Amino acid sequence: QKEVEQDPGPLSVPEGAIVSLNCTYSNSAFQYFMWYRQYSRKGPELLMYTYSSGNKEDGRFTAQVDKSSKYISLFIRDSQPSDSATYLCASSYSGAGSYQLTFGKGTKLSVIP
Amino acid sequence: DTAVSQTPKYLVTQMGNDKSIKCEQNLGHDTMYWYKQDSKKFLKIMFSYNNKELIINETVPNRFSPKSPDKAHLNLHINSLELGDSAVYFCASRGTEQFFGPGTRLTVL
Repeated sequence: QKEVEQDPGPLSVPEGAIVSLNCTYSNSAFQYFMWYRQYSRKGPELLMYTYSSGNKEDGRFTAQVDKSSKYISLFIRDSQPSDSATYLCASSYSGAGSYQLTFGKGTKLSVIP
Repeated sequence: DTAVSQTPKYLVTQMGNDKSIKCEQNLGHDTMYWYKQDSKKFLKIMFSYNNKELIINETVPNRFSPKSPDKAHLNLHINSLELGDSAVYFCASRGTEQFFGPGTRLTVL
């Protein structure tokens, strides 16, 4: 079992829809959770960064971590065509093991005008 | 100012050649990485350096050799290039958060 699992999609939604992107992880020692957005032929860009359980909101984006079920989510409200990209979740340990991020395989999202 | 920069952006070369990719970060971070992203978009870590010291060395052929002349630079040298080395290579650096460079698209013919 891979340490971070992510449905690769593709996911296609109409403009204005609420998008839910999800990952599960198997390593209970993971403490940091991130979402990256990657446009075609570009590098991954950090979207959201959370530590431990709970919600974090930034504009139209909300990151949610449920450590009891080892579930990571990213919600996008009022989705726009410019949100079309691949979204990667990532997790890492804290402390000495925090050097290495473990990535999911990414979910490709298309927002149709 | 670009936080993490890589050169070249594109690299097309013949099998058997040796090539290098350079990476520089101006974020003052201690930790830098090389990742390989294959055609299916999976990001796989190759190496990590912390303060010029190698701390992560995943199962990567020894044809790949990273070099960190100082904290702000981490270069990747690849010997005897093979077809399977074709991929996008990303450099990254990390403080509290991790930032990626724009990538180097390597094509081996």
